[in-house]
Order: sequence, then structure tokens, then C-alpha cells
Amino acid sequence: SQQGEEDPQALSIQEGENATMNCSYKTSINNLQWYRQNSGRGLVHLILIRSNEREKHSGRLRVTLDTSKKSSSLLITASRAADTASYFCATGGTSYDKVIFGPGTSLSVIP
Amino acid sequence: DAGVTQSPTHLIKTRGQQVTLRCSPISGHKSVSWYQQVLGQGPQFIFQYYEKEERGRGNFPDRFSARQFPNYSSELNVNALLLGDSALYLCASSPRGGVNTEAFFGQGTRLTVV
Repeated sequence: SQQGEEDPQALSIQEGENATMNCSYKTSINNLQWYRQNSGRGLVHLILIRSNEREKHSGRLRVTLDTSKKSSSLLITASRAADTASYFCATGGTSYDKVIFGPGTSLSVIP
Repeated sequence: DAGVTQSPTHLIKTRGQQVTLRCSPISGHKSVSWYQQVLGQGPQFIFQYYEKEERGRGNFPDRFSARQFPNYSSELNVNALLLGDSALYLCASSPRGGVNTEAFFGQGTRLTVV
């Protein structure tokens, strides 16, 4: 079973608005990563936040991590039509080997 | 620099057949991971290889196998194909093994089993 669960499953916003996606997970993690996928193609890495970090920024992206609540959020500010994609959180646990992906949030940005 | 390349991009096979998917990592990357992504779901981890050794295996049957070559390229083999094996198979490479590192994904191989 997948560890991460994104919320909402689908999100539709107007261009220029902010988009917030949430991810919850069940067990201890070393890090949490966010990826973007366009139209069922390869995934693009957006940001990695380690378990001892609380917030991280990259351009228009802001990721927070609350290990006490086992949750993370991805905020995309001033969204653009090109941000339309599926967004996945992926958790890396104490195991050396596995990165576990959630089912994803489908974001539609309407021009 | 070339990214992660996967071949073929699309493949149609019949139930019971065997298939081999190929992946070339980014130059200098020593770790390759394989994922299966069924339509509408997130990628599911199948294998990770680092320095030509299997370092992790997901919850997939023994029909799935993989290997990594001395040049760090990798193959994923699936035997006795089932309809449920139809999916996008993604390969990801990383500079090193483990989970604390960014993964770079190829565009995937879309396998259809009929």
C-alpha cells in the first residue's frame, strides 16, 4: 500500500491564484519529496525536504513539513496554465531502498 | 547532457509473453530504480539497483526481475505477462543509492498487454 496520501485528489483554479496541496503519511520518514507529472509522462523532481526541516522554498514553490502531524503541504503561488499537471508526494523512510509515492493531486489551472 | 532514456516508448504484448524494458541513466549516476504506474495512480516501487547490486525490491511477484550492467544501464524483465501488467514503467536514476536523494525520471515505457 502507498504511504503518502495527497489531498485534494483534484483541484481547479484560475491562473494567478495560489494552489495548495497536502500530503499525509503514516510512518517515520527521512525525507519527503514532491514531484510533478505532465500527461502521464516522466516525473520531474520539484523539491526535497528532510525530516529535520520545517519549510523550504524554490521559486514559486513553498513546501512545509510537520513531522508531528505526519503531513506536508505544497504551495504554488501565482499559478500559471503551465502548472497544470499531477503532483505527487513521495516519502523516503528509514529503509535504504524505497521511495513511496502517493496517488497524486491533479491540478488544472484555467487561463 | 542526455537525461534518462528508456526504450521502447510503447509496446504491445500478448498475455503469457515476456518483455524486456531498457533504461540508460544519466552519465555518472550509479543508481537505477524501476517503478510501475497504473493509470490514475502514483508510481509503485519495483526495484532499486546501486553499483550493479539489487538494493531494494517492492511487492511484486517473481515474474518481475531486473539487472544492472557495468555501464550502469538496466533492464527490467517481466515474464508470463498478465493483463494487469499494462502500465507505464518508469526508470529513475540517481547519483547514489538510498532514499535521501533526488531521482531523475525517464519518459517511461507504456506497456499494453492484450
